[in-house]
Amino acid sequence: GQQLNQSPQSMFIQEGEDVSMNCTSSSIFNTWLWYKQEPGEGPVLLIALYKAGELTSNGRLTAQFGITRKDSFLNISASIPSDVGIYFCAGQVQGAQKLVFGQGTRLTINP
Amino acid sequence: DAGITQSPRHKVTETGTPVTLRCHQTENHRYMYWYRQDPGHGLRLIHYSYGVKDTDKGEVSDGYSVSRSKTEDFLLTLESATSSQTSVYFCAISLTSGSYEQYFGPGTRLTVT
Repeated sequence: GQQLNQSPQSMFIQEGEDVSMNCTSSSIFNTWLWYKQEPGEGPVLLIALYKAGELTSNGRLTAQFGITRKDSFLNISASIPSDVGIYFCAGQVQGAQKLVFGQGTRLTINP
Repeated sequence: DAGITQSPRHKVTETGTPVTLRCHQTENHRYMYWYRQDPGHGLRLIHYSYGVKDTDKGEVSDGYSVSRSKTEDFLLTLESATSSQTSVYFCAISLTSGSYEQYFGPGTRLTVT
């Protein structure tokens, strides 16, 4: 089946640093989504991208839909302790009302 | 808040016993999904539903069945639980047809001993 490769798997950074993570696929997706999950909770939608080349921000978060439609990027600027969690990318399966998810990036922040 | 609840939130059961997890939504959304989450695998789709009595398989459907007799409830059943089905199970909904954004419930942690 379709797979998303998300990297890095984990990040250990200092508070105030910027963060970058990405997702790649061998398949084309029409929609890319980014989620954040905190311990003991379900994933929460952060950003949705619908057009190739699209750049969308949500506060300190910025995500981009790659022009090849096979990748997407998430950046977090000036990280703060509450950014800790696992970030997932997801792509919409073409022709279907369902998503495939990356393996996640675990973000840890040292104060 | 997409108005999704899952029950139970935690369950411990023995190998070979049947288990049913419930997902309940209050806002009449058409699409509902069941995922399992395991370390290193992200979220994997088990089954999904696109209406009452309309369901389809996801990528890891073996050993699971689902039912949707009412719009608001989507049930996931493990007919004979195995240790490999120890996982955290999430229900999700899509708000409208053609919207690919999914919103998740709080999860059910299932342990099969």
